[in-house]
Amino acid sequence: ETGVTQTPRHLVMGMTNKKSLKCEQHLGHNAMYWYKQSAKKPLELMFVYNFKEQTENNSVPSRFSPECPNSSHLFLHLHTLQPEDSALYLCASSQEQRATLSTDTQYFGPGTRLTVL
Amino acid sequence: DAKTTQPPSMDCAEGRAANLPCNHSTISGNEYVYWYRQIHSQGPQYIIHGLKNNETNEMASLIITEDRKSSTLILPHATLRDTAVYYCIVDDYGQNFVFGPGTRLSVLP
Repeated sequence: ETGVTQTPRHLVMGMTNKKSLKCEQHLGHNAMYWYKQSAKKPLELMFVYNFKEQTENNSVPSRFSPECPNSSHLFLHLHTLQPEDSALYLCASSQEQRATLSTDTQYFGPGTRLTVL
Repeated sequence: DAKTTQPPSMDCAEGRAANLPCNHSTISGNEYVYWYRQIHSQGPQYIIHGLKNNETNEMASLIITEDRKSSTLILPHATLRDTAVYYCIVDDYGQNFVFGPGTRLSVLP
Protein backbone atom coordinates (compact mmCIF):
# COMPACT_ATOMS: atom_id res chain seq x y z
CA GLU A 1 0.00 0.00 0.00
CA THR A 2 1.39 3.38 -1.02
CA GLY A 3 -1.12 5.60 0.76
CA VAL A 4 -2.80 6.55 -2.52
CA THR A 5 -6.16 4.96 -3.29
CA GLN A 6 -8.20 5.07 -6.46
CA THR A 7 -11.81 4.19 -7.14
CA PRO A 8 -13.23 2.49 -9.01
CA ARG A 9 -10.55 -0.02 -9.93
CA HIS A 10 -12.39 -0.95 -13.12
CA LEU A 11 -14.90 1.05 -15.16
CA VAL A 12 -16.76 0.31 -18.36
CA MET A 13 -18.65 3.16 -19.94
CA GLY A 14 -20.37 4.06 -23.18
CA MET A 15 -19.33 7.03 -25.27
CA THR A 16 -22.32 9.08 -24.11
CA ASN A 17 -21.89 8.40 -20.40
CA LYS A 18 -20.52 10.71 -17.77
CA LYS A 19 -18.39 9.20 -15.03
CA SER A 20 -15.77 10.29 -12.52
CA LEU A 21 -12.55 8.74 -11.26
CA LYS A 22 -11.54 9.43 -7.69
CA CYS A 23 -8.12 9.56 -6.09
CA GLU A 24 -7.36 10.05 -2.41
CA GLN A 25 -3.98 10.29 -0.73
CA HIS A 26 -3.30 9.78 2.97
CA LEU A 27 0.31 10.99 2.92
CA GLY A 28 -0.16 14.67 3.72
CA HIS A 29 1.10 15.62 0.26
CA ASN A 30 0.24 18.82 -1.56
CA ALA A 31 0.82 17.87 -5.19
CA MET A 32 -1.32 15.39 -7.12
CA TYR A 33 -1.04 14.05 -10.64
CA TRP A 34 -3.12 12.23 -13.26
CA TYR A 35 -1.36 9.93 -15.73
CA LYS A 36 -2.70 7.88 -18.62
CA GLN A 37 -1.20 4.56 -19.68
CA SER A 38 -2.48 3.15 -22.94
CA ALA A 39 -1.70 -0.35 -24.06
CA LYS A 40 1.98 -0.78 -24.89
CA LYS A 41 2.70 2.93 -24.41
CA PRO A 42 4.68 4.73 -21.71
CA LEU A 43 2.86 6.59 -18.98
CA GLU A 44 1.79 10.05 -20.09
CA LEU A 45 1.36 12.90 -17.64
CA MET A 46 -2.06 14.55 -18.01
CA PHE A 47 -2.55 17.05 -15.17
CA VAL A 48 -0.72 18.35 -12.12
CA TYR A 49 -2.21 20.12 -9.11
CA ASN A 50 -0.12 21.86 -6.48
CA PHE A 51 -1.92 23.14 -3.39
CA LYS A 52 -5.25 22.66 -5.21
CA GLU A 53 -4.19 24.81 -8.16
CA GLN A 54 -3.73 23.27 -11.59
CA THR A 55 -0.16 23.82 -12.72
CA GLU A 56 0.15 21.48 -15.69
CA ASN A 57 -2.20 20.47 -18.49
CA ASN A 58 -0.41 18.42 -21.13
CA SER A 59 -2.74 19.28 -24.01
CA VAL A 60 -5.42 16.97 -22.70
CA PRO A 61 -8.77 17.01 -24.57
CA SER A 62 -11.59 18.83 -22.81
CA ARG A 63 -13.59 15.61 -22.45
CA PHE A 64 -11.28 15.00 -19.48
CA SER A 65 -11.97 17.49 -16.71
CA PRO A 66 -9.93 17.37 -13.49
CA GLU A 67 -11.02 18.68 -10.13
CA CYS A 68 -9.00 19.09 -6.95
CA PRO A 69 -11.26 20.22 -4.07
CA ASN A 70 -8.49 19.84 -1.48
CA SER A 71 -4.94 18.54 -1.28
CA SER A 72 -6.09 15.03 -0.41
CA HIS A 73 -8.58 14.45 -3.20
CA LEU A 74 -8.36 14.52 -6.95
CA PHE A 75 -11.08 13.71 -9.45
CA LEU A 76 -11.10 13.13 -13.18
CA HIS A 77 -14.52 13.77 -14.72
CA LEU A 78 -15.13 11.96 -17.98
CA HIS A 79 -17.71 12.77 -20.63
CA THR A 80 -18.21 11.88 -24.27
CA LEU A 81 -15.15 9.66 -24.32
CA GLN A 82 -13.89 7.73 -27.33
CA PRO A 83 -12.84 4.08 -27.48
CA GLU A 84 -9.20 5.18 -27.85
CA ASP A 85 -9.47 6.70 -24.36
CA SER A 86 -9.55 3.18 -22.94
CA ALA A 87 -6.49 2.94 -20.72
CA LEU A 88 -5.17 2.61 -17.20
CA TYR A 89 -5.53 5.95 -15.41
CA LEU A 90 -3.07 6.47 -12.60
CA CYS A 91 -3.05 9.00 -9.82
CA ALA A 92 0.09 10.00 -7.93
CA SER A 93 1.01 12.41 -5.17
CA SER A 94 4.18 14.08 -3.94
CA GLN A 95 5.08 16.47 -1.18
CA GLU A 96 4.76 19.59 -3.30
CA GLN A 97 5.70 20.77 -6.74
CA ARG A 98 8.93 22.59 -7.40
CA ALA A 99 9.24 24.40 -4.11
CA THR A 100 12.01 24.47 -1.58
CA LEU A 101 12.62 20.77 -1.44
CA SER A 102 15.85 19.56 -2.98
CA THR A 103 14.20 16.37 -4.06
CA ASP A 104 10.82 14.77 -3.94
CA THR A 105 9.26 11.63 -5.31
CA GLN A 106 5.85 10.50 -6.42
CA TYR A 107 3.75 7.72 -4.96
CA PHE A 108 1.25 6.07 -7.25
CA GLY A 109 -2.17 4.60 -6.70
CA PRO A 110 -3.22 1.23 -8.17
CA GLY A 111 -4.98 2.82 -11.13
CA THR A 112 -8.43 2.65 -12.70
CA ARG A 113 -8.76 0.40 -15.74
CA LEU A 114 -11.18 2.26 -18.05
CA THR A 115 -12.88 0.67 -21.03
CA VAL A 116 -14.92 2.85 -23.37
CA LEU A 117 -17.36 0.97 -25.57
CA ASP B 1 10.76 12.52 -24.79
CA ALA B 2 12.36 10.49 -22.06
CA LYS B 3 15.93 11.48 -21.23
CA THR B 4 16.99 7.90 -20.57
CA THR B 5 17.58 4.77 -22.61
CA GLN B 6 17.17 1.27 -21.27
CA PRO B 7 17.27 -2.18 -22.85
CA PRO B 8 13.74 -3.31 -23.71
CA SER B 9 14.00 -6.61 -21.89
CA MET B 10 16.23 -8.74 -19.65
CA ASP B 11 16.09 -12.15 -18.05
CA CYS B 12 17.47 -13.10 -14.66
CA ALA B 13 17.58 -16.42 -12.83
CA GLU B 14 15.75 -16.56 -9.52
CA GLY B 15 18.10 -15.97 -6.60
CA ARG B 16 20.71 -14.22 -8.71
CA ALA B 17 21.42 -10.52 -8.84
CA ALA B 18 19.56 -8.53 -11.47
CA ASN B 19 21.56 -5.64 -12.88
CA LEU B 20 19.47 -3.19 -14.88
CA PRO B 21 21.40 -0.53 -16.82
CA CYS B 22 20.27 2.96 -17.74
CA ASN B 23 21.95 5.57 -19.92
CA HIS B 24 21.31 9.24 -19.24
CA SER B 25 24.13 10.99 -21.08
CA THR B 26 22.41 14.40 -21.11
CA ILE B 27 21.72 14.51 -17.38
CA SER B 28 22.26 17.94 -15.85
CA GLY B 29 23.93 18.70 -12.56
CA ASN B 30 20.79 19.09 -10.49
CA GLU B 31 18.89 16.11 -11.90
CA TYR B 32 18.38 13.01 -9.84
CA VAL B 33 18.09 9.46 -11.14
CA TYR B 34 14.88 7.72 -10.07
CA TRP B 35 13.88 4.10 -10.45
CA TYR B 36 10.33 2.82 -10.41
CA ARG B 37 8.85 -0.52 -11.33
CA GLN B 38 5.42 -1.52 -12.54
CA ILE B 39 4.07 -4.99 -12.02
CA HIS B 40 1.50 -5.88 -14.63
CA SER B 41 -1.46 -3.46 -14.62
CA GLN B 42 -0.60 -1.99 -11.22
CA GLY B 43 0.60 1.50 -10.37
CA PRO B 44 4.33 2.21 -10.56
CA GLN B 45 6.19 1.54 -7.33
CA TYR B 46 9.03 3.76 -6.18
CA ILE B 47 12.29 1.87 -5.68
CA ILE B 48 15.17 4.26 -5.11
CA HIS B 49 16.72 7.51 -6.26
CA GLY B 50 20.10 9.22 -6.10
CA LEU B 51 22.12 12.21 -7.26
CA LYS B 52 25.76 11.17 -7.46
CA ASN B 53 26.53 8.81 -4.62
CA ASN B 54 25.60 5.17 -4.64
CA GLU B 55 22.44 4.46 -2.69
CA THR B 56 21.04 1.35 -1.03
CA ASN B 57 17.74 0.60 0.60
CA GLU B 58 15.78 -2.51 1.52
CA MET B 59 14.70 -3.04 -2.06
CA ALA B 60 17.74 -2.33 -4.19
CA SER B 61 21.07 -0.61 -4.75
CA LEU B 62 21.71 2.20 -7.19
CA ILE B 63 25.15 2.62 -8.69
CA ILE B 64 25.78 5.89 -10.53
CA THR B 65 28.93 6.32 -12.59
CA GLU B 66 31.31 9.10 -11.68
CA ASP B 67 30.40 11.12 -14.78
CA ARG B 68 26.70 10.47 -13.98
CA LYS B 69 25.99 9.49 -17.57
CA SER B 70 24.76 6.05 -16.65
CA SER B 71 23.52 4.06 -13.70
CA THR B 72 22.68 0.50 -12.71
CA LEU B 73 19.87 -0.72 -10.51
CA ILE B 74 20.80 -3.88 -8.64
CA LEU B 75 18.28 -6.28 -7.16
CA PRO B 76 20.62 -8.45 -5.09
CA HIS B 77 18.56 -11.65 -4.96
CA ALA B 78 15.83 -11.54 -7.58
CA THR B 79 12.59 -13.41 -6.89
CA LEU B 80 9.70 -14.25 -9.19
CA ARG B 81 7.80 -11.31 -7.68
CA ASP B 82 10.43 -8.95 -9.07
CA THR B 83 9.17 -9.64 -12.60
CA ALA B 84 8.04 -6.20 -13.78
CA VAL B 85 8.82 -3.28 -16.06
CA TYR B 86 11.55 -1.12 -14.55
CA TYR B 87 11.68 2.57 -15.37
CA CYS B 88 14.71 4.82 -15.04
CA ILE B 89 13.83 8.53 -14.95
CA VAL B 90 15.91 11.67 -14.53
CA ASP B 91 14.35 14.80 -13.10
CA ASP B 92 15.45 17.70 -10.97
CA TYR B 93 12.62 17.87 -8.46
CA GLY B 94 11.02 14.46 -8.86
CA GLN B 95 7.80 15.94 -10.09
CA ASN B 96 7.96 16.23 -13.87
CA PHE B 97 8.56 12.63 -14.69
CA VAL B 98 8.74 11.55 -18.32
CA PHE B 99 8.44 7.79 -18.48
CA GLY B 100 10.09 5.86 -21.27
CA PRO B 101 9.23 2.28 -22.25
CA GLY B 102 11.46 0.86 -19.47
CA THR B 103 13.04 -2.59 -19.21
CA ARG B 104 10.85 -5.64 -18.90
CA LEU B 105 12.64 -7.89 -16.39
CA SER B 106 11.65 -11.53 -16.35
CA VAL B 107 12.85 -13.53 -13.37
CA LEU B 108 13.01 -17.16 -14.36
CA PRO B 109 12.67 -20.12 -11.96
